[in-house]
Amino acid sequence: DTAVSQTPKYLVTQMGNDKSIKCEQNLGHDTMYWYKQDSKKFLKIMFSYNNKELIINETVPNRFSPKSPDKAHLNLHINSLELGDSAVYFCASSLRSGGETQYFGPGTRLLVL
Amino acid sequence: AQTVTQSQPEMSVQEAETVTLSCTYDTSESDYYLFWYKQPPSRQMILVIRQEAYKQQNATENRFSVNFQKAAKSFSLKISDSQLGDAAMYFCAYRRGLTSGTYKYIFGTGTRLKVLA
Repeated sequence: DTAVSQTPKYLVTQMGNDKSIKCEQNLGHDTMYWYKQDSKKFLKIMFSYNNKELIINETVPNRFSPKSPDKAHLNLHINSLELGDSAVYFCASSLRSGGETQYFGPGTRLLVL
Repeated sequence: AQTVTQSQPEMSVQEAETVTLSCTYDTSESDYYLFWYKQPPSRQMILVIRQEAYKQQNATENRFSVNFQKAAKSFSLKISDSQLGDAAMYFCAYRRGLTSGTYKYIFGTGTRLKVLA
């Protein structure tokens, strides 16, 4: 019954590795998001997809590549991981791109060593 | 540029008492939405309450209510009869319209609420 799910919940990896975080929502929403929450708890949007189409692409290194195989899934692939990528990554969804309420996943804590 | 400011990094409240968390925002839009999200230690982001800017009536959800002052661009959250489970980080958020016709959510830096038994 989980509305927005993310896997894995924790990810510990070495610098230079490539890793992916998966997100799925079963709410029937059209729009999905990726946020990054840094060590100071600042939450900032990275990407947004509406019906598999990229609609928001913030100033994010191109080592980060989102992929939306269908509107229920939005995965985040990160190449050549750096120490500064350590953060909690949240996936979220909303009914439409202007959908007022976002529903968040549980977060993925990424630690790059 | 739209910004959201939460000037209280940390607040404490005695159990059963009332506490108010402040949030101010800057915008040139007339139609927008404001939100309060709660993030307990579990890290889950949970919607607490939302307010449509076109509505003059302040939103209320059980023990949670807002004081929305549109002219002052202020959106404070009042928690009545505080409970231990209310302890969390609280984020104020603003939904901003983009020229592309899509929307972006901007979050404040959060206020950590401690509830004292």
